[in-house]
Amino acid sequence: GDSVTQMEGPVTLSEEAFLTINCTYTATGYPSLFWYVQYPGEGLQLLLKATKADDKGSNKGFEATYRKETTSFHLEKGSVQVSDSAVYFCALSKGNSGGSNYKLTFGKGTLLTVNP
Amino acid sequence: EAQVTQNPRYLITVTGKKLTVTCSQNMNHEYMSWYRQDPGLGLRQIYYSMNVEVTDKGDVPEGYKVSRKEKRNFPLILESPSPNQTSLYFCASRIYSGELFFGEGSRLTVL
Repeated sequence: GDSVTQMEGPVTLSEEAFLTINCTYTATGYPSLFWYVQYPGEGLQLLLKATKADDKGSNKGFEATYRKETTSFHLEKGSVQVSDSAVYFCALSKGNSGGSNYKLTFGKGTLLTVNP
Repeated sequence: EAQVTQNPRYLITVTGKKLTVTCSQNMNHEYMSWYRQDPGLGLRQIYYSMNVEVTDKGDVPEGYKVSRKEKRNFPLILESPSPNQTSLYFCASRIYSGELFFGEGSRLTVL
């Protein structure tokens, strides 16, 4: 079945450091790929997404590129802030039409802590 | 404000005592779903609903029931909770081809 593997945390960085969180996937067909962020005590929020190969999703300084040849969707940010401290989830979905279960298959999550 | 609202946010209960976690969305979304989040396992889908009166099992449905009598509500029912259902639960909804919106979560502890 489909699966998502992301680097295990926790990841601890200093403010303004460069961030990479690796994510690879296994899926048949052409999944859509997502990064969700979960701030302490809150639900998940969509951070960015990409729906086809070579697409780059970006939001709030974060970027990820859908690489079909390496089945990867690594999350990057050039300069992290304390406010970026959260749990980050990589996810995929293949059901985007009206007649299917839009199930997200999640990775296990990576806890990021950014220190001032 | 568009939102998915879950209640209760926190609950401690005992084995075998039936409970219901409510979920309501104000976006007129057709699709709704329940996930549970466990350390080291990420989020896993419990049940989903494509529309009113249409529900189906996700990956981990054992021990749970759902109903979808109205479009806005999708309650999760634990008929006889057990300690292995201690978890953080999320409800989510979306319109077809749109983004999935999550509620803030319900932390359940079964003693």
